[in-house]
Amino acid sequence: GESVGLHLPTLSVQEGDNSIINCAYSNSASDYFIWYKQESGKGPQFIIDIRSNMDKRQGQRVTVLLNKTVKHLSLQIAATQPGDSAVYFCAETFYGGSQGNLIFGKGTKLSVKP
Amino acid sequence: NAGVMQNPRHLVRRRGQEARLRCSPMKGHSHVYWYRQLPEEGLKFMVYLQKENIIDESGMPKERFSAEFPKEGPSILRIQQVVRGDSAAYFCASSPLDLGEKLFFGSGTQLSVL
Repeated sequence: GESVGLHLPTLSVQEGDNSIINCAYSNSASDYFIWYKQESGKGPQFIIDIRSNMDKRQGQRVTVLLNKTVKHLSLQIAATQPGDSAVYFCAETFYGGSQGNLIFGKGTKLSVKP
Repeated sequence: NAGVMQNPRHLVRRRGQEARLRCSPMKGHSHVYWYRQLPEEGLKFMVYLQKENIIDESGMPKERFSAEFPKEGPSILRIQQVVRGDSAAYFCASSPLDLGEKLFFGSGTQLSVL
């Protein structure tokens, strides 16, 4: 089965609220995780990444949290804007895996209501 | 600074025809990756190439599919004798020499097989 999956296929939030998108992974050997944003008709856009030696990493309005104990990854978007509407994918790779061979989850669609 | 360029954006083929998808990586990137995305699905790794070398083709179907990245020119993903099940979005990504995980994706080629 899929090594990476998402708890919620769709998420609807009000503009200005914070969004949390969750992701579960099953391969304990995974040591690098990435969040991508994909807008309709476009390719995935890199948002933020995190290595397994970290629990948290912050970017501009985004934070990724990694809980290795329960193999859980989350993406937090602060003050969600209409431009954040997209499908969000988590991806993983692991030591010993092929470089660039990312395992993607199925995605969560984020809809931002004005 | 142009990103990863893919063409064509849309490609329509009849069953049994050949499809050729082209990808020019970002300037300075020497690693190219091809992924396939079915509707409502995450991306699936197909192949990883460096100039004139196929590094990992573990995600490529055994028949009809081939990829190359010549010394000069774009990377080509070739699908012979297309079938309806080949209909999908095909994404190319590239990375710099030392950042194999942080992939930069193109906008994809949507292949439709009639």
